[in-house]
Amino acid sequence: KQEVTQIPAALSVPEGENLVLNCSFTDSAIYNLQWFRQDPGKGLTSLLLIQSSQREQTSGRLNASLDKSSGRSTLYIAASQPGDSATYLCAVTMNRDDKIIFGKGTRLHILP
Amino acid sequence: GAGVSQTPSNKVTEKGKYVELRCDPISGHTALYWYRQSLGQGPEFLIYFQGTGAADDSGLPNDRFFAVRPEGSVSTLKIQRTERGDSAVYLCASSYRPEGSQYFGPGTRLTVL
Repeated sequence: KQEVTQIPAALSVPEGENLVLNCSFTDSAIYNLQWFRQDPGKGLTSLLLIQSSQREQTSGRLNASLDKSSGRSTLYIAASQPGDSATYLCAVTMNRDDKIIFGKGTRLHILP
Repeated sequence: GAGVSQTPSNKVTEKGKYVELRCDPISGHTALYWYRQSLGQGPEFLIYFQGTGAADDSGLPNDRFFAVRPEGSVSTLKIQRTERGDSAVYLCASSYRPEGSQYFGPGTRLTVL
């Protein structure tokens, strides 16, 4: 059974710092991996999606990497801003039309 | 354009009551998913519809939970004899095709007293 683990569970950093969120998964035979953002009272927003054949994806200040063989992914946020405060969820799918399997998330707080 | 909408946004009920949660997917999206998110946890899959039929209902925790999508658009998640452990945020997502990106609604927060 696939399990997704995220470390740390919570993180507080001063504004302007670069930071890394970590994700690991137990079954490396994934179809794709996504990073989502969740704000209180709102739905999930997909930030980056990495197909199993890819190594990384970038969007603005965000960069996600995937090491499928070792079952790891990282989300790098450059020059953090208070507006980046949210919960970040790592998630995988195992097949083309499969459900998403989520980690528990990392609660990020950027200090102004 | 309009995103995925869910009603009600909040629902408070008493133990043993029946509840219905509604999801309106993005127009034209054929795939619809229900997830449940308990406090401090990531969302957990409940059921997936492709069109009108449930393609995968392996995440439904027991037979008190049931979902329908009679016309291939709006879906209703039904919970009978609610228990306090059913308290969670119920999220709905839709996609244009099964392998496409899933777009999530804001969720319904269910509280069972």
